[in-house]
Amino acid sequence: GAVVSQHPSRVICKSGTSVKIECRSLDFQATTMFWYRQFPKKSLMLMATSNEGSKATYEQGVEKDKFLINHASLTLSTLTVTSAHPEDSSFYICSAGGEGFTEAFFGQGTRLTVV
Amino acid sequence: LAKTTQPISMDSYEGQEVNITCSHNNIATNDYITWYQQFPSQGPRFIIQGYKTKVTNEVASLFIPADRKSSTLSLPRVSLSDTAVYYCLVGDFNDMRFGAGTRLTVKP
Repeated sequence: GAVVSQHPSRVICKSGTSVKIECRSLDFQATTMFWYRQFPKKSLMLMATSNEGSKATYEQGVEKDKFLINHASLTLSTLTVTSAHPEDSSFYICSAGGEGFTEAFFGQGTRLTVV
Repeated sequence: LAKTTQPISMDSYEGQEVNITCSHNNIATNDYITWYQQFPSQGPRFIIQGYKTKVTNEVASLFIPADRKSSTLSLPRVSLSDTAVYYCLVGDFNDMRFGAGTRLTVKP
């Protein structure tokens, strides 16, 4: 299957600072990427969908000014959590698919802890 | 994305066959059925995908009846390492919303 790499795998930041998470497709061109957050024992919650070169489409209730998503190339999307607070602590996961794909492939996730 | 319903949890023992059923009554004509497996603190991993009838790969089988309103993931001879959450998604990768999933616990 296609490979999606997410970096970093875990990050600790101070409250009020911003954190950037990268999602890369290593062996295919990712025309669409998805960002999720997941709380303990809960399912994945879709935050936004991004298509290369376009603005991301955010799910209802997700603050676009707080969770900045950039998909500037066919192999890289970034999620920046701005002015992070302890309640933003969560597991963030990206997935990606390319032209003609019928399924998406997932990164390994990023554990964000805001202290 | 068609709404899906799965059992919240299932228990099994090593060596048994496990069947997890997913209901998707409002599946659309062009929708695929895709199953993912997720271990704690990892991203979901693709298991199998199908459109109709039966699909088999090296890790699982997927059974889809003619009306496609449900599907069953079959895991043969499970081991402890199959303990995970299993998600059924119906649609295509352009609309990837997850349901609650089924937490499978395999006991020795």
